[in-house]
Amino acid sequence: GQQLNQSPQSMFIQEGEDVSMNCTSSSIFNTWLWYKQDPGEGPVLLIALYKAGELTSNGRLTAQFGITRKDSFLNISASIPSDVGIYFCAGQLLTSGSRLTFGEGTQLTVNP
Amino acid sequence: GAVVSQHPSRVICKSGTSVKIECRSLDFQATTMFWYRQFPKQSLMLMATSNEGSKATYEQGVEKDKFLINHASLTLSTLTVTSAHPEDSSFYICSARDQRVNSPLHFGNGTRLTVT
Repeated sequence: GQQLNQSPQSMFIQEGEDVSMNCTSSSIFNTWLWYKQDPGEGPVLLIALYKAGELTSNGRLTAQFGITRKDSFLNISASIPSDVGIYFCAGQLLTSGSRLTFGEGTQLTVNP
Repeated sequence: GAVVSQHPSRVICKSGTSVKIECRSLDFQATTMFWYRQFPKQSLMLMATSNEGSKATYEQGVEKDKFLINHASLTLSTLTVTSAHPEDSSFYICSARDQRVNSPLHFGNGTRLTVT
């Protein structure tokens, strides 16, 4: 099946720093999604991308759908302590219905 | 926005017993819901696709007789872990989307299952 490679696996940053993480795939996806998961909770949708080249922002978060449709990145600017959590990318194929393939996740730690 | 409710949030059961987990779409109808399992420090793995009014579709390696899925209405899917064993202990998460508006998947808050 499809594989999503997400990097980095973990990040330790200081409050106020910017963060960047990305996902790459061997397959072309029609939709890229970015979720954040806090401990003991389900993933919460941050940004959804539907078109190649699309750049979308949600507050301090910005994500882009790669031109090749095989990659996406998520940037967080001016990080704050509540940004701590695990961030997952997910890709969706048009032919797969709503089935998602998830990346391995990026564990973000923000030091005050 | 789309809200998915999952119950219970946490359950502890003895080995050999069965546990039922409910997933409800609160403000939309979902003909399809998805069940994921997540082990500590790992990503979400799709277990099965729950289809309203028909049989669920299971991913390779997932035992359909062990993980019974019922999607009897457009707002409710249930996952029953039958004859649970300690290795079934995990975080189970359901998801659904409002297909009328082609929205992305939204997830429930998960169920932490511990089998003793």
